Amino acid sequence: QKEVEQNSGPLSVPEGAIASLNCTYSDRGSQSFFWYRQYSGKSPELIMFIYSNGDKEDGRFTAQLNKASQYVSLLIRDSQPSDSATYLCAARTPPGNQFYFGTGTSLTVIP
Amino acid sequence: DAGVIQSPRHEVTEMGQEVTLRCKPISGHDYLFWYRQTMMRGLELLIYFNNNVPIDDSGMPEDRFSAKMPNASFSTLKIQPSEPRDSAVYFCASSLESRPLNEQFFGPGTRLTVL
Repeated sequence: QKEVEQNSGPLSVPEGAIASLNCTYSDRGSQSFFWYRQYSGKSPELIMFIYSNGDKEDGRFTAQLNKASQYVSLLIRDSQPSDSATYLCAARTPPGNQFYFGTGTSLTVIP
Repeated sequence: DAGVIQSPRHEVTEMGQEVTLRCKPISGHDYLFWYRQTMMRGLELLIYFNNNVPIDDSGMPEDRFSAKMPNASFSTLKIQPSEPRDSAVYFCASSLESRPLNEQFFGPGTRLTVL
């Protein structure tokens, strides 16, 4: 079973704070990892991906990958109310090209 | 560039009726995925195609569900007969194998309500 697990939340942070979202995966063969943001009533939108151990930064977003511990995280710095959404973690595990999605973490940024 | 296109955006039908959902992937993409999303189960992969060929349909819940991809620019997901428990948002996504990470791009979804 290729599982991706996330804390469903809800996670609430004040505006300007750092939001930390975590994800674990069960299959050590997973090679690349994706964070999607989904606003209520909308489709998932890709915001970050990572495939190497360590950190990857893009603007206010930082993805972190630790393959030894099998976890992926997403940090959102200077959180804004517009960041309020559900964040989905996904893993791609060869040989197939399907993604395995977690159930998502709901984030609310309080003004 | 146009993204993934799905139709209809909303569908309300009565139990027992046939429902057909449609998807047009991003031009040139060679993978197409059908997902179902509910509050209880999250985002579930139903089936995916590579170059119009079904690769894995193990997520299709039962024989009432079928999917086809007659050409590279069109796919359908059919439910016959529909049941109230099929009510969900159905997403289509596409990807391109030659992109290093094969990231998936989602369509806007079809919200299905079966009464």
